[in-house]
Amino acid sequence: EVQLVESGGGLVKPGGSLRVSCAASGITVSNVWMTWVRQAPGKGLEWVGRIKSKSDGGTTHYAAPVKGRFTISREDSKNTLYLQMNSLKTEDTAVYYCTIDGSSGTFEAWFDPWGQGTLVTVSS
Amino acid sequence: DIVMTQSPDSLAVSLGERATLNCKSSQSVLSSSNNKNYLAWYQQQPGHPPKLLIYWASTRASGVPDRFSGSGSGTDFTLTISSLRAEDVAVYYCQQYYGTPSTFGQGTKVEI
Repeated sequence: EVQLVESGGGLVKPGGSLRVSCAASGITVSNVWMTWVRQAPGKGLEWVGRIKSKSDGGTTHYAAPVKGRFTISREDSKNTLYLQMNSLKTEDTAVYYCTIDGSSGTFEAWFDPWGQGTLVTVSS
Repeated sequence: DIVMTQSPDSLAVSLGERATLNCKSSQSVLSSSNNKNYLAWYQQQPGHPPKLLIYWASTRASGVPDRFSGSGSGTDFTLTISSLRAEDVAVYYCQQYYGTPSTFGQGTKVEI
């Protein structure tokens, strides 16, 4: 069974930085495309960014609101995905979920499974 | 970006009755190359992460009960819960993965 467990969320001031993690079991993170999706309190779902599998080049792609501020990476030895968030804004406050891209055969896909999420609060 | 609009925003259904949820995309998500609709549905129960229910508009994900079904094509899609159970109380989201970036609808809340 594939399990994804996020950690590292917390309270950070505007302009600050935070790194959240997603530890995977039952799957090798370098072998799949993985995505971060966020959900602001009481709101809907927003795609944040993805990293391709190592065999597909390991490139990263980001949503416009976070491009240049957020960075997705992997640590293969720990089978863990990361989301480094810099220059945080109040509008980045959300639960951040990691998830795995489905095998759609195209750049975009459905997402399954999802971790339980980690809450990032940006406030002074 | 492709805009996904769900209706209604909320829906109250009696136990054992049918629930019908709608999702409309601002442009077609049907691929002419493979005749597939790039549309998924998710269920988010209170306090839980989203769970994939349906992909390719009508293919049930592994372990999803057959009371959940997806239909539609092009720009108009429906998720049907044939006989509502108490554990189906949740917010349901549609998602298109035809255009980049992938986008979600605002959700439909299903209550008893």
